[in-house]
Amino acid sequence: AQKVTQAQTEISVVEKEDVTLDCVYETRDTTYYLFWYKQPPSGELVFLIRRNSFDEQNEISGRYSWNFQKSTSSFNFTITASQVVDSAVYFCAHSSRETSGSRLTFGEGTQLTVNP
Amino acid sequence: EPEVTQTPSHQVTQMGQEVILRCVPISNHLYFYWYRQILGQKVEFLVSFYNNEISEKSEIFDDQFSVERPDGSNFTLKIRSTKLEDSAMYFCASSVGKAQETQYFGPGTRLLVL
Repeated sequence: AQKVTQAQTEISVVEKEDVTLDCVYETRDTTYYLFWYKQPPSGELVFLIRRNSFDEQNEISGRYSWNFQKSTSSFNFTITASQVVDSAVYFCAHSSRETSGSRLTFGEGTQLTVNP
Repeated sequence: EPEVTQTPSHQVTQMGQEVILRCVPISNHLYFYWYRQILGQKVEFLVSFYNNEISEKSEIFDDQFSVERPDGSNFTLKIRSTKLEDSAMYFCASSVGKAQETQYFGPGTRLLVL
């Protein structure tokens, strides 16, 4: 069965600091997909990124970057120069091509608080 | 930009009552999902739906739950006889295809069972 672990329950930083959110996954599937979602205080789930298991290239989008390493089963998310608006719960999630229906398995989430 | 919509945003009901949560997925999407999030906890998969039938369901999705696509746009989740522990945020999601495709979530329905 798939499992996603986000060991950091809460992180608090001061604005402009860089912060990395950790995500470790477990799967026996060879083809799978990893995601990050943001849940701001308003409650909705906002899609941030999707990666395929066969594409280990890191990705950068503005202040956001993602480091995917199959060797350590990790998919970490870094926010550079954090801002107060980045305060939210961030969820890492996994889905598998080999599982019918494509359920997303979520981690427990990391509550990020960025203080001014 | 197309988005998933859900109604109502909040629902309060008495234990034992039936509730129907409604969702309008993105129009060209073929796969539909329901997830729930108990307050302060992680998001949990309930059910996926494709081609007018359930393709996968979790152990949470017992006989009290059902899903339906009554017309070409709506996708509903029915809870037949609500229990206190059904209180949660319920999210609908949709995707173009299966695992490789991104699931886009609606804003959620906050259900409170008293």
